[in-house]
Amino acid sequence: DAGITQSPRHKVTETGTPVTLRCHQTENHRYMYWYRQDPGHGLRLIHYSYGVKDTDKGEVSDGYSVSRSKTEDFLLTLESATSSQTSVYFCAIRNRGNTEAFFGQGTRLTVV
Amino acid sequence: AQSVTQLGSHVSVSEGALVLLRCNYSSSVPPYLFWYVQYPNQGLQLLLKYTSAATLVKGINGFEAEFKKSETSFHLTKPSAHMSDAAEYFCAVSDGNDYNLSFGAGTTVTVRA
Repeated sequence: DAGITQSPRHKVTETGTPVTLRCHQTENHRYMYWYRQDPGHGLRLIHYSYGVKDTDKGEVSDGYSVSRSKTEDFLLTLESATSSQTSVYFCAIRNRGNTEAFFGQGTRLTVV
Repeated sequence: AQSVTQLGSHVSVSEGALVLLRCNYSSSVPPYLFWYVQYPNQGLQLLLKYTSAATLVKGINGFEAEFKKSETSFHLTKPSAHMSDAAEYFCAVSDGNDYNLSFGAGTTVTVRA
């Protein structure tokens, strides 16, 4: 298994509170991704990073921000959580020169 | 831009029967195509990938897929289903511009004894 650790694995939070999810990799891969998984939608890209301090938006980036200050860590922040952000969040990594991505175990976030 | 359509959100097969999961894609450039599998409460695991080499791609656990450019399809098959194949399967596409994956909605496979 690729060395990807997501934390926390489960979280329940209240509407309006800030939430940060962490993705940590030990593979030294250049590219890191955050996806959300919702029934009927598959996985949708939120944000991605192509290097330290280099990030870009995906198709569902509204309400989310990211930061990457070190190669190994990619943080996803919900500044003010809403019920529509209840989802399972997956981190993925990809190495330069490779086409496939490897996924973490996921974080189940519930916003009440 | 690229997109993926998976036909059928649920597929039920008998143990030992053929598994066929359908995937059609659209892409403005030659695509890279993938099938991932997700077991309950786990992340996604790569089954196989097409990257412009052989059009018939063999993957893990006895699965294979055929790239058909004329039909813009990348259907996944397994000749004989096993109970352990019960999972959700995702088709995904990327291109050579940014390699970001676009996923289909997924197909859940159940296997009947």
